[in-house]
Amino acid sequence: DTEVTQTPKHLVMGMTNKKSLKCEQHMGHRAMYWYKQKAKKPPELMFVYSYEKLSINESVPSRFSPECPNSSLLNLHLHALQPEDSALYLCASSLGGTGGETQYFGPGTRLLVL
Amino acid sequence: QQQVKQSPQSLIVQKGGISIINCAYENTAFDYFPWYQQFPGKGPALLIAIRPDVSEKKEGRFTISFNKSAKQFSLHIMDSQPGDSATYFCAASKIPGGFKTIFGAGTRLFVKA
Repeated sequence: DTEVTQTPKHLVMGMTNKKSLKCEQHMGHRAMYWYKQKAKKPPELMFVYSYEKLSINESVPSRFSPECPNSSLLNLHLHALQPEDSALYLCASSLGGTGGETQYFGPGTRLLVL
Repeated sequence: QQQVKQSPQSLIVQKGGISIINCAYENTAFDYFPWYQQFPGKGPALLIAIRPDVSEKKEGRFTISFNKSAKQFSLHIMDSQPGDSATYFCAASKIPGGFKTIFGAGTRLFVKA
């Protein structure tokens, strides 16, 4: 299995809702990432987990809460989001636990906050 | 120092032509330079990557040229096809060196049939 999967593909939520995004990889990669991508912009790093521990939080608002239940799974819990949080949320993984190598991206979750 | 500057922002090429996208970096500590290709509605996917110990790498119709002294690298797409129409991101990172890959702003390529 050489892919990163993400669910759901699309999500519409209100500002008072709680929802979760899910990411899964079975490539034995030790680092997993969450990115946010706005239209016509490059991916913007949000969080990095290395060996299931949070390594990087790019000063992301607390309404986004990451979780890494095991080495294959990564979740992003969403609560009280704002309309400006509407974007494509990408999950990625990379082989080593020290970073820098090729990142393998999932197809993303298209999020719309109303 | 952490920026990667990419140009052009958009590019229109005739089918069969050569597409050229340029990037420049500032941090000489970077030692891994991947190019990612992203189709609408999809995540970015690695296209080709280069380390600074070589000046050129070719994979099929895709070639990276790397100029270490000028701190520049470029992607050449030979015999461009309509199926190459996508957004291309250059990037830079250090292996090992942390998890932050610095992405260029992206180039939207359209290949006319």
